[in-house]
This record gives sequence, C-alpha cells and structure tokens, in this order.
Amino acid sequence: QSALTQPPSASGSPGQSVTISCTGTNSDVGGYNYVSWYQQHPGKAPKLIIYEVTKRPSGVPDRFSGSKSGNTASLTVSGLQAEDEADYYCSSYARSNIFYVFGTGTKVTVL
Amino acid sequence: EVQLVESGGGLVQPGGSLRLSCVGSGFDFDNFAMTWVRQAPGKGLEWVSGISATAVSTYYADSVKGRFIISRDNSKNTLYLEMNSLRAEDTAVYYCAKMDTVAVVVTSTVDSWGQGTLVTVSS
Repeated sequence: QSALTQPPSASGSPGQSVTISCTGTNSDVGGYNYVSWYQQHPGKAPKLIIYEVTKRPSGVPDRFSGSKSGNTASLTVSGLQAEDEADYYCSSYARSNIFYVFGTGTKVTVL
Repeated sequence: EVQLVESGGGLVQPGGSLRLSCVGSGFDFDNFAMTWVRQAPGKGLEWVSGISATAVSTYYADSVKGRFIISRDNSKNTLYLEMNSLRAEDTAVYYCAKMDTVAVVVTSTVDSWGQGTLVTVSS
C-alpha cells in the first residue's frame, strides 16, 4: 500500500485561497467517505482539521473545508492567515493489508 | 481535554529493543481504540499499529509486523508499543494517538495526538 499522493508545496498571499489535492485509489480515498486532514506546525504534533471528507472538529475555523471527487480528496484554506503556514497531511482507511494510510504531505507557505 | 503523554524513546543499537508507553487522560481511555503513528526526521506520517478498546483486535503495518507488539492496560490508562529487532529505518518520532471509535474500523478517525517520543536506532 503506497502513501496517498499530495503536491509537495502550495502557497498563497494572506487573504487568498489555496487548495491541496490528495490522490489515492478505489481501495482507499475513492472507496470510502472517511478522508481526514491534519495540520502540523514545525516541531508539533499533527492536529485534526477535517474528518469524514467535509466535517470540521469543534474549534476549527470554517476557513478550512474539504471535498472529494472520485479518487481525489481536496482541502481548501480560504482567507489565508500567517498561522496557516504548516504541513498538511491527508489520510484514509485503506482496504488492503494496511489499515490506515497517510498522504505524502504538503507544505503550505503564506507569502 | 484529551491529553496523551508518550515516554520510553531514546537511542538504541540496531537489533535492540525498546518499549514505548503512552498515558491518556481527559477521556474514557477504555472506550476508545488507540494507535501509533511515526514520522522519520524530515519525512511524512506513517501509520504503525492500532488496537481496539478492549485489546481484542490489533493491527500492524507491514513494515513492523512480526517485530512490534501493541498492547494496552486500561486499568492504568496506558498504551504500549514493544519494538524488537530495531532497524535504522525505524528511527522516528513516535506519536500515540486516540481514535474516535471503540474498534479499529473503516469509520475510525485519529482525533487526538500526543507530542511524540523520539526513537533513534544507531550504532
């Protein structure tokens, strides 16, 4: 089971939007509506920001939104703020010999 | 507030063993599945192992199957990861994480993370 594919980097100016893709297969992203997204600042633990493709945990700003089409899930960060600069990882259940698979990670830079 | 505190990391020689611990608080520990996720230096996240709330079911990534053992002691609110036959490629920060379900199932989400403990495998 390979990691889900994400672009290595993405960037935007404050106030702009950035969208990160997460591409898998029919055995993971495309097969289930259980894609999560995590934000990780340098030296810190990951933090859940989206689950079940589109849902936000309590306390996560509505600037973060998720979607899915086929085998690709996406995270959109609207109204970029300086504190959004971080690494972002997607994850999904994987119907294979590995239960849970993460994406390769995307570094978001706020210009 | 959910708190997860890992311990037990350190420097170990190739072929050696180490046991990680994770104490959970702020939630009903015995009602939730738990998992270990690792992150090699400068790399991405890799799921390592998971265990159901009652420890009846355990799961492992192929990369650690047969070498690592996950377990839990619900009377102590503690999750463990016993790591044997360690290799250089096992060097990583190991995160303990809580899932939002009793069992490790398709609907499970990792919803809370500890701060991690660093394991370095080197001679």
